[in-house]
Amino acid sequence: GAGVSQTPSNKVTEKGKYVELRCDPISGHTALYWYRQSLGQGPEFLIYFQGTGAADDSGLPNDRFFAVRPEGSVSTLKIQRTERGDSAVYLCASSFDRTYNEQFFGPGTRLTVL
Amino acid sequence: AQSVAQPEDQVNVAEGNPLTVKCTYSVSGNPYLFWYVQYPNRGLQFLLKYITGDNLVKGSYGFEAEFNKSQTSFHLKKPSALVSDSALYFCAVTPGAGSYQLTFGKGTKLSVIP
Repeated sequence: GAGVSQTPSNKVTEKGKYVELRCDPISGHTALYWYRQSLGQGPEFLIYFQGTGAADDSGLPNDRFFAVRPEGSVSTLKIQRTERGDSAVYLCASSFDRTYNEQFFGPGTRLTVL
Repeated sequence: AQSVAQPEDQVNVAEGNPLTVKCTYSVSGNPYLFWYVQYPNRGLQFLLKYITGDNLVKGSYGFEAEFNKSQTSFHLKKPSALVSDSALYFCAVTPGAGSYQLTFGKGTKLSVIP
């Protein structure tokens, strides 16, 4: 079946602009996660959704970052007033539920802020 | 807070030789441990996980990992390396049942030399 998909695959923007990154999880997966991977580092947790609600947003670095999942499927990560330090690969993952089931990752969106 | 250490940035091994990629962790409680592999321009792919039970876990592509509670380690192994195993490997941990936030190591680049 189809895996996790993310669009766009690459996004180049200018400092101060607003961007939206989209994640389409595996059908039937209720849990959805966003991670950020900086160059040379492992992914870092940003936010976790169970269904439509953000169950844990403790990893969001500041209030410029926001994510939604209005219908419990597709999620959008929104970044306002982008900064050069936001440049990274943003990874989305989904799992059947929030327990020990492995998380399945999408290919990521590479964000470059000029 | 949990943490993962992958002490080697890079591991080189000759094709056909056994390989080991090291991982140690720090977490309270009974951890759930994972290995993921990342190929260039592709998302993280799940290899294997340890939840409970037998300390030796077998996963995809002939990989296995051994959980050692006393040494807080979860090293990835394969008896005979293939050139196609060359990739970036990440160890990850969650603090156990009901948890979902994966904490990743920095990754180890494995190069298998023909």
